Amino acid sequence: DVKVTQSSRYLVKRTGEKVFLECVQDMDHENMFWYRQDPGLGLRLIYFSYDVKMKEKGDIPEGYSVSREKKERFSLILESASTNQTSMYLCASSPWGTGFTYEQYFGPGTRLTVT
Amino acid sequence: DAKTTQPNSMESNEEEPVHLPCNHSTISGTDYIHWYRQLPSQGPEYVIHGLTSNVNNRMASLAIAEDRKSSTLILHRATLRDAAVYYCILSGNNDMRFGAGTRLTVKP
Repeated sequence: DVKVTQSSRYLVKRTGEKVFLECVQDMDHENMFWYRQDPGLGLRLIYFSYDVKMKEKGDIPEGYSVSREKKERFSLILESASTNQTSMYLCASSPWGTGFTYEQYFGPGTRLTVT
Repeated sequence: DAKTTQPNSMESNEEEPVHLPCNHSTISGTDYIHWYRQLPSQGPEYVIHGLTSNVNNRMASLAIAEDRKSSTLILHRATLRDAAVYYCILSGNNDMRFGAGTRLTVKP
């Protein structure tokens, strides 16, 4: 089974802190994605990556950056956390060539609270 | 961007079929239709997807209207474990658009 793991299930940070959310997948997938999920808004794509060191902006990249130094790991960085970034963050992966066309495998999510 | 419209909630009885509707009247010719579901405290789980033809897999069936402006996810025999939020999603070349989903309640 594909496994996507996220470094924390719950995280509390203060406004202005730099926050790292880590995601690791164990199926050698080329594509990785970061979403945030908010009540009434569904999931929204923040960034995605088709390969190591490659990144593409999603619908809401402002305030975020990403890093993909290794194929299995995709990090989401909040350079200076703000309260409006309080949300559930979900990581996903999919095999090469499928991108958004076929199945994505999601991690359990990290619920981030910024105070 | 094309969007999807789903009912906020639906109820079903256990072991009965469930038909979850989705409208996507502005779908483009290359958009795929996906269904994912999300159980409490978990990430979304893939259910099924299709482009033009109806699709079946071990979890569900997907019926796509001939004009592709709507689709229906069919759970053939609902179980209590099928209680979840079901998302109808359109995907293009570089994006995947989630709606608010339908919360399915299954009554024993």
